[in-house]
Amino acid sequence: EIVLTQSPGTLSLSPGERATLSCRASQSVSSSYLAWYQQKPGQAPRLLIYGAYSRATGIPDRFSGSGSGTDFILTISRLEPEDFAVYYCQQYGSSPYTFGQGTKLEIK
Amino acid sequence: EVQLVESGGGLVQPGGSLRLSCAASGFTFSSNSMNWVRQAPGKGLEWVSYISSSSNAIYYADSVKGRFTVSRDNAKNSLYLQMNSLRDEDTAVYYCARGGITFGGLIVVWGQGTLVTVSS
Repeated sequence: EIVLTQSPGTLSLSPGERATLSCRASQSVSSSYLAWYQQKPGQAPRLLIYGAYSRATGIPDRFSGSGSGTDFILTISRLEPEDFAVYYCQQYGSSPYTFGQGTKLEIK
Repeated sequence: EVQLVESGGGLVQPGGSLRLSCAASGFTFSSNSMNWVRQAPGKGLEWVSYISSSSNAIYYADSVKGRFTVSRDNAKNSLYLQMNSLRDEDTAVYYCARGGITFGGLIVVWGQGTLVTVSS
């Protein structure tokens, strides 16, 4: 089983700032089958990034993904008020399709 | 509009059983793999199970293997999760989730979830 570790657990930033979220895998994620999801309170998650760097339909270009192998990054270039939420990474290259424990992005 | 609507959640005693259903609409259900993902109260996401479009590939998380059974009825555009021998730690919101066309474990659409509470 591939274990995903996200850091930091909580990130406190202000609107307009840049956010950098990390996801580290316990072993290499095949072909960069790494996704990022956003979840707001009381809502289902939403797909943001797949294949490590491809944005899902309708996702603003301030969201970008990078990385390969065992180290992946989600960057939000300029935070908007609606971006404050919990973010999860997931590997879907091999079953079980594990999630990271999440990073909470909160308003400073 | 793509929709996934879960039902069947509720309160059940430890050791009991429950069957969740998911009604799909707005896309060609029979061409898509499906997943169940759960989230315990105040906790993160946990992938539970995957079923391919024709049911010829089925996977489970170790935490539910041997207790949960996923199935689908493509004629009824429906996904199911039979949960037996339920434990306190199975308490969670259960999401029905559509997989990607090429990579079935990629969750491209989520339902709103149904709450399962296991408690005496």
